[in-house]
Amino acid sequence: DQQVKQNSPSLSVQEGRISILNCDYTNSMFDYFLWYKKYPAEGPTFLISISSIKDKNEDGRFTVFLNKSAKHLSLHIVPSQPGDSAVYFCAASTGGYQKVTFGTGTKLQVIP
Amino acid sequence: DTGVSQDPRHKITKRGQNVTFRCDPISEHNRLYWYRQTLGQGPEFLTYFQNEAQLEKSRLLSDRFSAERPKGSFSTLEIQRTEQGDSAMYLCASSLAKPEAFFGQGTRLTVV
Repeated sequence: DQQVKQNSPSLSVQEGRISILNCDYTNSMFDYFLWYKKYPAEGPTFLISISSIKDKNEDGRFTVFLNKSAKHLSLHIVPSQPGDSAVYFCAASTGGYQKVTFGTGTKLQVIP
Repeated sequence: DTGVSQDPRHKITKRGQNVTFRCDPISEHNRLYWYRQTLGQGPEFLTYFQNEAQLEKSRLLSDRFSAERPKGSFSTLEIQRTEQGDSAMYLCASSLAKPEAFFGQGTRLTVV
C-alpha cells in the first residue's frame, strides 16, 4: 500500500522557469511532510518541510504548499537551475516522527 | 567530515552468507534510522533507534535481519543467510529529535 504517491516519474523544465513537483498521500494521520533531494551515488538530502498546521512554507527558491483536504502537497522551485537536477522525494510522518514514509520520487531535469 | 558515515560503501556477497553494515551517525544525534532502497523506489523504513533503544521495526525486517545500537552511538545492521531479494541500497540516517534526518551515502548490497 503506497501511502505517499508521486505520480510523475520525471519532469523536464527550462532553466529559469518554475518547477512544480506533486505528491499525494492517503493516510490522514500524516501531520508532517518533507521533501528530500537526491543526487546519484549520494544519500537523500533534506530540502524543506511543512507541518499540517500550515499551508505554505518558503525557503529561498523553494516553496512547499499543503492542501490537507485534497491530501496533496507540491514543491515549487523558482527559478529552476541546472544544479537542481536530481531525484526529489516527498515524505510524510505522523506525530512522534519515528517513521517517515517516502514516495517513489520524481526525477527533475533542468535544461540549460 | 561530520556527516553520517556508512561502511562499507559496496558489498558483494554470495547467497546464504551473512553480512554486517555499520553506520556512524552525527555525534549529537539521538535518533538513528535504517532504510532500504531498491531501484525506482523511495527509501523504505526498516527500523528506528532512540539512543540505544530500538523503538520500531518494520514488518519488512524479517527474522534474518537484526540491528543494534550499543551505547547509543554507532549502529550495525546484520543480514543472515542473504537472499537475492536482499540486494538493495541500505541507507542510514540520524536526527536530533526532529523528522528532518541526515542520510549517509548508503551501502549497496549485491547478492549473487
